[in-house]
Amino acid sequence: RKEVEQDPGPFNVPEGATVAFNCTYSNSASQSFFWYRQDCRKEPKLLMSVYSSGNEDGRFTAQLNRASQYISLLIRDSKLSDSATYLCVVTNNAGNMLTFGGGTRLMVKP
Amino acid sequence: GAGVSQSPSNKVTEKGKDVELRCDPISGHTALYWYRQRLGQGLEFLIYFQGNSAPDKSGLPSDRFSAERTGESVSTLTIQRTQQEDSAVYLCASSFIRNTIYFGEGSWLTVV
Repeated sequence: RKEVEQDPGPFNVPEGATVAFNCTYSNSASQSFFWYRQDCRKEPKLLMSVYSSGNEDGRFTAQLNRASQYISLLIRDSKLSDSATYLCVVTNNAGNMLTFGGGTRLMVKP
Repeated sequence: GAGVSQSPSNKVTEKGKDVELRCDPISGHTALYWYRQRLGQGLEFLIYFQGNSAPDKSGLPSDRFSAERTGESVSTLTIQRTQQEDSAVYLCASSFIRNTIYFGEGSWLTVV
């Protein structure tokens, strides 16, 4: 089993749709969780951290479920500019080693 | 500069040659990471430096790969006797310990 697993997609959605991605991780002692966004042929950039209580940033909501060892990202009112690959990132128990999921590709169509 | 700086941004080399890739982290960041990403693939961890601690080299794919970092400054990733399967973008990232990591724009390596 991979340490961090994501559905590679692609998820093809129309503009305005709500879309959700999940990511599962295998290390129950993982400390920190993030979602990164990567555009084609660009470096990954932080989208948002994921907190135990869940957190929201505009149209984006991240949730953490430690019992089931998964994190989620919800995007509401999808925009064309949301088209990208979304990477789930999990740290180890010391909080210093990051493991990236393979990414989920989102394509928002007009 | 304000961000992680990598050079060269693009490198085309002949099979069998050695290449050296450079990363200049954000000033003050103690942690530095190297990742490799082949076209259409996910990020593959190579090596991690934290301050003056011994680096975590567990991701280096073969002994042709090595990396150095002097203190908390510049790092170089060296690939000896390059092979075509080494073609990828090599991404460097830095952070304060346990904080967000920031990536450079990468060094795109093509081995012909």
